[in-house]
Amino acid sequence: QLMQSEVRAARPGATLGLSCRASGFKFSDSDMHWVRQAPGKGLEWVGFISSNERNKDFGDSWKGRISISRDNGENTLYLQIFRLTTDDTGVYYCAREGGTSGWFDYWGRGTLLIVSS
Amino acid sequence: DALTQPVSVSVALGQTARITCEGSDIGVKSVHWYQHKPGQAPVLVINRDSNRPSGVPDRISGSNSGGTATLTITGAQDDDEADYYCQVWDNIVIFGGGTKLSVL
Repeated sequence: QLMQSEVRAARPGATLGLSCRASGFKFSDSDMHWVRQAPGKGLEWVGFISSNERNKDFGDSWKGRISISRDNGENTLYLQIFRLTTDDTGVYYCAREGGTSGWFDYWGRGTLLIVSS
Repeated sequence: DALTQPVSVSVALGQTARITCEGSDIGVKSVHWYQHKPGQAPVLVINRDSNRPSGVPDRISGSNSGGTATLTITGAQDDDEADYYCQVWDNIVIFGGGTKLSVL
């Protein structure tokens, strides 16, 4: 399971952290990803972090504005978004990478992030 | 490179639905499919073009040939009504735009 907070709210310009707590599998062996769905839009890849934190990559539109980290001792994945805008509103899913061809076999239920003044 | 899916597909109850996914050189890539219902987490229904994970009904199948990846739902049920996304890993993760499947 991947557990996420249901709803978070923030003001434009703020920095916000989202978390995703894993259970039922060996988190420390798993590469993890974040995926976003903006209102009325499709799925958009945000970024990933490897199991040992040595490798990270981010979608082009997110580079320079997010940080992804993890605590393998706490089985928790984190996403930090800087300089929030209203366009960051959406549902943010964490997902486990299931194999070398890059599919996602476990997903969280998502956190609805509302950015509004 | 982008993955192109039809915005919507409709299918009569019990009939066969096909959802396509097109992209540059998709035939040499490994394509994965997700079912996504409102308010729920996406669910992997096909990985590596045609592999069906445990628990996915065998009426759902996938193929990738001739420049198009296809998700096929044979004998569509009300429960199949959802958004479906194709996805590949091509140095980065790429999702198709999604297809809304309506079961009439």
